[in-house]
Amino acid sequence: AQKITQTQPGMFVQEKEAVTLDCTYDTSDQSYGLFWYKQPSSGEMIFLIYQGSYDEQNATEGRYSLNFQKARKSANLVISASQLGDSAMYFCAMREGQRGGADGLTFGKGTHLIIQP
Amino acid sequence: DAGVIQSPRHEVTEMGQEVTLRCKPISGHDYLFWYRQTMMRGLELLIYFNNNVPIDDSGMPEDRFSAKMPNASFSTLKIQPSEPRDSAVYFCASSLRVLPGELFFGEGSRLTVL
Repeated sequence: AQKITQTQPGMFVQEKEAVTLDCTYDTSDQSYGLFWYKQPSSGEMIFLIYQGSYDEQNATEGRYSLNFQKARKSANLVISASQLGDSAMYFCAMREGQRGGADGLTFGKGTHLIIQP
Repeated sequence: DAGVIQSPRHEVTEMGQEVTLRCKPISGHDYLFWYRQTMMRGLELLIYFNNNVPIDDSGMPEDRFSAKMPNASFSTLKIQPSEPRDSAVYFCASSLRVLPGELFFGEGSRLTVL
C-alpha cells in the first residue's frame, strides 16, 4: 500500500484563486511529520510547510496552510490567492518516527499545478 | 549559509561506465539522504546515513549501487556499471538530528546513461 497518496496528477487554477492539493497518508506510528515541497521547472526541491502529528493547530506559512485531518489521515495543502509563480510540481511527504530514530521522507507522486493568468 | 552541494549537476555517460555522484551536506546536519527521481517512479529514497553510518539501504536498487560517507561533510553515490535505466535525477538531502526534521535538498545531479 502506498504511504502517501496524491490523487490529483494535475490541476489548472485561475490566478488569484485559492487551490487545494490533496494528500492522504498511511502510517501506524503515533509520531510522524507531514511535509509539502514545491518543485518548479528548474528542478530544486523547496520546503513549504510542516505539520507534526501532535500539533493541534493547522500549520500556516504565508499563503500556504495545511488542512490537517488526523482521523481521516489527510494533509491537504491550501494555497490562497494563487500566483503565476506557484506553477510547479507539489509533493506531499511523511516522515515516521521509529524507536526514537528518524527515517527518510516518503514522497507522494506529486501534483502538477498550473496557474493560468 | 551554503546549502547542500551536489556535483556534478549533469552527467552524460555510456552504458557500462562508472558514475560517481558527490554530496556535501549542510554543516551540523546529522542525517544525509540519497533520493532518485524518475517520471515513472517519482522520488525514491535510496539510502540514508546518521552520523556517517548507513541506517537503511533497502532502497538501493541492486549491487551496482553503493554509497559511502567517509566523514560528516562528504558522501558519494556510485553506480558501477551504469545502465540506461539508471538515468534519473539524483538528489542528496540533509537534516538535523531533532525529530521530525525538514529535509534540505541539493539541486540534484541529472544522470543520463546512453
